[in-house]
Amino acid sequence: EVQLVESGGGLVQPGGSLRLSCAASGFTFSDHYMDWVRQAPGKGLEWVGRIRKQVYSYTTEYAASVKGRFTISRDDSRNSLYLEMNSLTTEDTAVYFCTRGMTGTSVQYFDCWGQGTLVTVSS
Amino acid sequence: IQLTQSPSFLSASVGDRVTITCRASQGISSYLAWYQQKPGKAPKLVIYDASTLQSGVPSRFSGSGSGTEFTLTISSLQPEDFATYYCQQLNTYPLTFGGGTKVEIK
Repeated sequence: EVQLVESGGGLVQPGGSLRLSCAASGFTFSDHYMDWVRQAPGKGLEWVGRIRKQVYSYTTEYAASVKGRFTISRDDSRNSLYLEMNSLTTEDTAVYFCTRGMTGTSVQYFDCWGQGTLVTVSS
Repeated sequence: IQLTQSPSFLSASVGDRVTITCRASQGISSYLAWYQQKPGKAPKLVIYDASTLQSGVPSRFSGSGSGTEFTLTISSLQPEDFATYYCQQLNTYPLTFGGGTKVEIK
């Protein structure tokens, strides 16, 4: 069974840092682009960023709202995706979803999602 | 690229035909997806490449469009279809989502 399980969420003070993890199973992790998407309470979906696979040198893309503060990385040997978040503000409070990019299509739609992990930034 | 969904809210009955529109601020070819999200759950891919049904999704869902205007149609609304639907463009970074359309029971 294809599965993505996020962890690492919690309460953090403004200006603080947090590292989220996403454990993948049931598929060949290294074959897929991976993305993070977030959803503030009661709001819509916001794409956070993407990491490509090894053949594309693990290059990354970010939303303007997080660029320079957030870093996406992956460890294919551990089937894991990470999101390092620094200089957090209250605007970063959201559920963070890990998503898998499809293969076999021209672009990498999000065909599998984790259950999400809640990050709350508050003093 | 901004995606504008309409309507934001839709009240419908079981068996109704429902259409949701997504307009892009510039052309995105057919690189558009639709996702369904139920309360407290992760989104689920419904349609990709504007009109391709994701595996396992009922055939009452269909998508159409290219360029800047797209539609998601549910031919006969079922109780399990009441949810919020989001469009997403993957033509250009940053990837963006529409604001969502909440489909509720009339």
